[in-house]
Amino acid sequence: EVQLVESGGGLVQPGGSLRLSCAASGFTFSNYNMNWVRQAPGKGLQWVSYIISSSSNKFYADSVKGRFTISRDNTKKFLYLEMNSLRAEDTAVYYCARHSGGAGWAFDIWGQGTMVTVSS
Amino acid sequence: QSVLTQPPSASETPGQRVTISCSGSNSNIGSNYVCWYQLLPGTAPKLVIYRNNQRPSGVPDRFSGSKSGTSASLAISGLRSEDEADYYCSAWDDRLTGVVFGGGTKLTVL
Repeated sequence: EVQLVESGGGLVQPGGSLRLSCAASGFTFSNYNMNWVRQAPGKGLQWVSYIISSSSNKFYADSVKGRFTISRDNTKKFLYLEMNSLRAEDTAVYYCARHSGGAGWAFDIWGQGTMVTVSS
Repeated sequence: QSVLTQPPSASETPGQRVTISCSGSNSNIGSNYVCWYQLLPGTAPKLVIYRNNQRPSGVPDRFSGSKSGTSASLAISGLRSEDEADYYCSAWDDRLTGVVFGGGTKLTVL
């Protein structure tokens, strides 16, 4: 079964750091580009970051640029999101999502999400 | 404020057809593919339309997508109660160098 499972969320104070992980299974992880997308409570979806299959290219939303770092380990089949200098507005459910190859910027497989709460 | 504009809500009775609009600009919808996602409470987002009008395997043909200029739309025909969900449009934005989403439309099946 094709599956993505996020972990690492939790409660963190403003200015703190957190590292999210996403475990992939059921497909050849190293062949796919990956993304992080978040949804704040009561709000819509917001794309956060993208990483190409080889890790040679990465994109970030302006709101997280310089604070978040996306990475991956193709041998372990894991996607990561290192989050620093966290703010209250980063509070959200964070999803990892597989980039659907050759279908434009569409994400065909999503995890269940992990909740990040930034609060003192 | 979302880059892509969707109506916040839509409603229709079972068996009928509903259309959800998504308005953007030349830098996103006008020059890139549009996709649509369905969000049910407590579940992961599900891709229902990609490349403007293509359906992933398993998505019923009651779902259809279209695009014209800087606008796109999602149509659902033969509405069922299980279609009640939030729907989001999305596209790559060349100016922002990132993926942008609409604000979402809450579909109610009356």
